[in-house]
Amino acid sequence: EADIYQTPRYLVIGTGKKITLECSQTMGHDKMYWYQQDPGMELHLIHYSYGVNSTEKGDLSSESTVSRIRTEHFPLTLESARPSHTSQYLCASSLAMLPGLYEQYFGPGTRLTVT
Amino acid sequence: KNQVEQSPQSLIILEGKNCTLQCNYTVSPFSNLRWYKQDTGRGPVSLTIMTFSENTKSNGRYTATLDADTKQSSLHITASQLSDSASYICVVSDRGSTLGRLYFGRGTQLTVWP
Repeated sequence: EADIYQTPRYLVIGTGKKITLECSQTMGHDKMYWYQQDPGMELHLIHYSYGVNSTEKGDLSSESTVSRIRTEHFPLTLESARPSHTSQYLCASSLAMLPGLYEQYFGPGTRLTVT
Repeated sequence: KNQVEQSPQSLIILEGKNCTLQCNYTVSPFSNLRWYKQDTGRGPVSLTIMTFSENTKSNGRYTATLDADTKQSSLHITASQLSDSASYICVVSDRGSTLGRLYFGRGTQLTVWP
């Protein structure tokens, strides 16, 4: 089982609040990712990081921001939450198995509801 | 456009029965294909990973097949159990993706009834 953790698991918050979703992994993986997933829909990559001090935006435009100050920690922040941000947020990290072949390990997710 | 399509969207079977889930993809150039199991409210967990040269791989009661020529894959589950109830997601990676970025299908929601 992967050692990747997300907190909180569930969050209900009012519009306009600032929130930070935490993600930590103890496997020493360089690459980390944030995905957004709505019910019955595919995962969409919103942010990724190659390593410390490296962050990039993913395929799906997101108003959230991320930081990577430590290898094991990849938090996601929403400065002002809106109902459109209601979704499940999944964090992942990856290990290179072979050149070009990476196994991604997922955290349990944070279910965010903005009222 | 790189896409991954899965069928059926949902499936109900009785405990002990077998089932097969389908995945078609247009991702190119192809690197590898994965099947993940995602329990409700949890993150996906990898079942199998197949590269271009592999056409079948098993993990317990799960057997995945890959036809890279027709760009199709299937996941066969034998002797289903109640704990198999989950969403099964087909994921394809393109070749040379140093990031390890993945293209996800929407999943097949499998329900196993007693």
